[in-house]
Amino acid sequence: AQRVTQPEKLLSVFKGAPVELKCNYSYSGSPELFWYVQYSRQRLQLLLRHISRESIKGFTADLNKGETSFHLKKPFAQEEDSAMYYCALGGNTNAGKSTFGDGTTLTVKP
Amino acid sequence: KAGVTQTPRYLIKTRGQQVTLSCSPISGHRSVSWYQQTPGQGLQFLFEYFSETQRNKGNFPGRFSGRQFSNSRSEMNVSTLELGDSALYLCASSLGTGDGNQPQHFGDGTRLSIL
Repeated sequence: AQRVTQPEKLLSVFKGAPVELKCNYSYSGSPELFWYVQYSRQRLQLLLRHISRESIKGFTADLNKGETSFHLKKPFAQEEDSAMYYCALGGNTNAGKSTFGDGTTLTVKP
Repeated sequence: KAGVTQTPRYLIKTRGQQVTLSCSPISGHRSVSWYQQTPGQGLQFLFEYFSETQRNKGNFPGRFSGRQFSNSRSEMNVSTLELGDSALYLCASSLGTGDGNQPQHFGDGTRLSIL
């Protein structure tokens, strides 16, 4: 069964500090991982996907199949990064279904 | 390209009534998924439609149903509404290539309040 775990419901850091949002997954097939972000009063939107290996708004995420993790990192947090972040798992054996974690609310304090 | 459109944006109903929510996906997207978002439960998967067929289903009671039309537009219906159904209902579309690897594009949601 597909499962995504985001262990922190709330995460608070100061501006300029590094931030890491944790995501662990459980999946027997070949995983496809995503991070979605929801800023205040905006729609949920894709932040990045592991297959693209790109950095969006300074965020990166590396898929670690050994640890079944896909943590989201940013070296220097900004106040505008404050949002709800969801890790999501798609895969090649459960067509069309994405499994979302419970989300982590990130607050970046000035 | 227009984004995912959900109507209506807000709905107020009373217990026992039924409600229908609508979702128009991005042009060319054949997969439409529905989610329930609440502060306590996060994002819960309801079901996913692809080419007018329900392809995946979450763990919701039979009061929650949906359908997809030939133009990929989708509707979600909830019958015999309960207070606990108050939530933001999100629709997401994707290309739906069949392997679950495409990112989802979300609408603004329909805020349903049950009195």
